[in-house]
Amino acid sequence: DAKTTQPPSMDCAEGRAANLPCNHSTISGNEYVYWYRQIHSQGPQYIIHGLKNNETNEMASLIITEDRKSSTLILPHATLRDTAVYYCIVRVDNQGGKLIFGQGTELSVKP
Amino acid sequence: NAGVTQTPKFRVLKTGQSMTLLCAQDMNHEYMYWYRQDPGMGLRLIHYSVGEGTTAKGEVPDGYNVSRLKKQNFLLGLESAAPSQTSVYFCASSRGPGNTIYFGEGSWLTVV
Repeated sequence: DAKTTQPPSMDCAEGRAANLPCNHSTISGNEYVYWYRQIHSQGPQYIIHGLKNNETNEMASLIITEDRKSSTLILPHATLRDTAVYYCIVRVDNQGGKLIFGQGTELSVKP
Repeated sequence: NAGVTQTPKFRVLKTGQSMTLLCAQDMNHEYMYWYRQDPGMGLRLIHYSVGEGTTAKGEVPDGYNVSRLKKQNFLLGLESAAPSQTSVYFCASSRGPGNTIYFGEGSWLTVV
């Protein structure tokens, strides 16, 4: 299973863009990159996912490098409510399409 | 549309007791998952199912059993609870590979 590497923690000023990096150098060609976040001990919340192309939705943008070995999640205008643990996950295409979680990045948005 | 619902939300068990956690989804999803999360750690996959009547082991299956008799329900059983099974349990479901996985709000289990 492809593993991901994320920094354990990051800070961001409120109103600024938060850029969360993720390394997934062993990703296979048909495996998706997913981002989830978890606020306190709530259920993980889906943010965005992508395969090769950059993706954008109402929450965030996902930038995937051309070789697909790394990606960046961008929260364009971080708010205090974006403080959470962010998980970058490579989704295994077989074996039930399961998500294997790493340790994630604890993002603190500060006033 | 309730999404993914877990029952119960909180439970305290004595060592050796048994219990079942119920996960129900109303999105007609084929795939369902059970995860556990210990303090300060990421989620770990216990068991999963790719359709009614099927189950498979995840990363940490020991001490748990599962059943998927109906498409909308995925049951997680603890036959003889141990303190090491004190954790928060999350259920999730998905239409299939490449589709979003939706999580429930969690079930807090304490084994004393």
